[in-house]
Amino acid sequence: DAGVTQSPTHLIKTRGQQVTLRCSPKSGHDTVSWYQQALGQGPQFIFQYYEEEERQRGNFPDRFSGHQFPNYSSELNVNALLLGDSALYLCASSLEVLAGAPDTQYFGPGTRLTVL
Amino acid sequence: GQNIDQPTEMTATEGAIVQINCTYQTSGFNGLFWYQQHAGEAPTFLSYNVLDGLEEKGRFSSFLSRSKGYSYLLLKELQMKDSASYLCAVSPLGDKLIFGTGTRLQVFP
Repeated sequence: DAGVTQSPTHLIKTRGQQVTLRCSPKSGHDTVSWYQQALGQGPQFIFQYYEEEERQRGNFPDRFSGHQFPNYSSELNVNALLLGDSALYLCASSLEVLAGAPDTQYFGPGTRLTVL
Repeated sequence: GQNIDQPTEMTATEGAIVQINCTYQTSGFNGLFWYQQHAGEAPTFLSYNVLDGLEEKGRFSSFLSRSKGYSYLLLKELQMKDSASYLCAVSPLGDKLIFGTGTRLQVFP
């Protein structure tokens, strides 16, 4: 049973560039959430996708956007990169069981983004 | 606002018991999760509490008091491999998780 996978593992970009990160959810899961984790901090919620639509969003600027595909995989796009965007980007998947109730989220290994 | 507080660091000895506390203030409460995160790795799910009381799962137990906005994670028979960060996360609404900064636990022989 494949777990959550993310690509790439590491990425180095320069300020002003754009980046796309990819996530494949755990088999059987239909919901994907993205988190940003700065060094020494807990993950911060960016947004969540369900049925190919953004369902919830955290306190992140519009430079952060995403997409979910019919096969439930997802992409996170960040435009106009800033030095402060350097972080570990985590994708988590879950299965929608009961609307409004939290479902256990399973995390992928993350993508380490460095902005120079 | 949303606030999750947990100690930054803790140390313990192999074979001992350690309790990691978490207090929270959130606009809404849908459940509380504990995750373990080894350095450079993804968080892995440990436990979930939605009702008051103790949930036991092997060497790990988690307790919740909703009226006090308080939870703890209890680790028994500590092993060296338990050295990791432990993240407390609250779901205030839907599936969104609000994480604390994590508690870095070091287990010594």
